[in-house]
Amino acid sequence: EVQLVESGGGLVQPGRSLRLSCAASGFTFDDYAMHWVRQAPGKGLEWVSGISWNSGSIGYADSVKGRFTISRDNAKNSLYLQMNSLRTEDTALYYCAKLTPRGYSFDYWGQGTLVTVSS
Amino acid sequence: EIVLTQSPGTLSLSPGERATLSCRASQSVSSSYLAWYQQKLGQAPRLLIYGASSRATGIPDRFSGSGSGTDFTLTISRLEPEDFAVYYCQQYGSSPFRVTFGPGTKVDIK
Repeated sequence: EVQLVESGGGLVQPGRSLRLSCAASGFTFDDYAMHWVRQAPGKGLEWVSGISWNSGSIGYADSVKGRFTISRDNAKNSLYLQMNSLRTEDTALYYCAKLTPRGYSFDYWGQGTLVTVSS
Repeated sequence: EIVLTQSPGTLSLSPGERATLSCRASQSVSSSYLAWYQQKLGQAPRLLIYGASSRATGIPDRFSGSGSGTDFTLTISRLEPEDFAVYYCQQYGSSPFRVTFGPGTKVDIK
């Protein structure tokens, strides 16, 4: 059974940093690109960042470029999101999501970890 | 950047009725790159349709997707009580990664 379990969320002040993790199991992690998608309270889905299976290709939404860094450790079956210079508008539930074998949609999602940026 | 627009914002229907949800892209999208998701309150999104018209594993056949170019449609042939939820379309670009979601359509009980 595929499982994605996010952790690392919490309450943080504006300008500070936070590192999210996503532990994957139930599939061959290093076969798939992985992504982060967030959802602000009461709002829609917003793609944040994605990374290819070998970390050779990485992309970011304009809203987080230069502040967030995605990475993965295939030996640990883990995905990460380093979030620096956090803003109040980064407050959201952060999901990690696995790309389908075809590579263009997300077939498995974690339950999310909540990040609240507030003074 | 491709912008996705979904309409209507809210669709109020009764169980048993047919639901037709629209997703329009600001420029042409390959059908292979268009997906639909269902999200219920307090839950993670669930993949319904990929490649514009292929149902994901375990998705009932009352859900169907169609369309090409800039206009795509998700149809629920007969609404079941568990289908009342928010639906998002999503397109996938590769430059190297550029994913966008539509704003969502809420299907609620009339």
